[in-house]
Amino acid sequence: DAGVTQSPTHLIKTRGQQVTLRCSPKSGHDTVSWYQQALGQGPQFIFQYYEEEERQRGNFPDRFSGHQFPNYSSELNVNALLLGDSALYLCASSSLTGGNSPLHFGNGTRLTVT
Amino acid sequence: GQSLEQPSEVTAVEGAIVQINCTYQTSGFYGLSWYQQHDGGAPTFLSYNALDGLEETGRFSSFLSRSDSYGYLLLQELQMKDSASYFCAVRPLEAGTALIFGKGTTLSVSS
Repeated sequence: DAGVTQSPTHLIKTRGQQVTLRCSPKSGHDTVSWYQQALGQGPQFIFQYYEEEERQRGNFPDRFSGHQFPNYSSELNVNALLLGDSALYLCASSSLTGGNSPLHFGNGTRLTVT
Repeated sequence: GQSLEQPSEVTAVEGAIVQINCTYQTSGFYGLSWYQQHDGGAPTFLSYNALDGLEETGRFSSFLSRSDSYGYLLLQELQMKDSASYFCAVRPLEAGTALIFGKGTTLSVSS
């Protein structure tokens, strides 16, 4: 049973560029959430997708956008990259009907903006 | 808003017992969760308290007291592999299924 998979594992971009990160949820999960984790900090909620729509959003600017596909996989897009966007980006999947079922995280994409 | 406070670092030796505290300020939440994250790895779920009291899962236990706005994770019979970061997290009532995480506690276990 494959868990949450994310690609790429590492990425280096320059300021002003755009980036797309990808996530495949755990089998049987229909909800994907994205988190940003700066060094030495806890994960911060970016947004959540369910039924191909953004359902909730954290305190992140519009430069952060996403998409969910019919197979439940998801993309996170960040435009006009800033140095402060350097972080580990984590994807987490869950089942919305699972109530308080735990999140299953992928290993993340380490983004470095220079 | 919500905030969770945890100690930044805890050290212990193999075989010992360690308690990681989490105090929070939140208007209301469904429950308190604990996640473990090894360096460079994915956070993994450890425990969840929906109600006040103690939840036990093997060597790990978690406690919640809503009246004291306080919870803790108890790790017994520590092993070297328990060296990791531990995060408490809440699911606020108004935030659907989004989790709000603390900054994490780095546990170092020595022999």
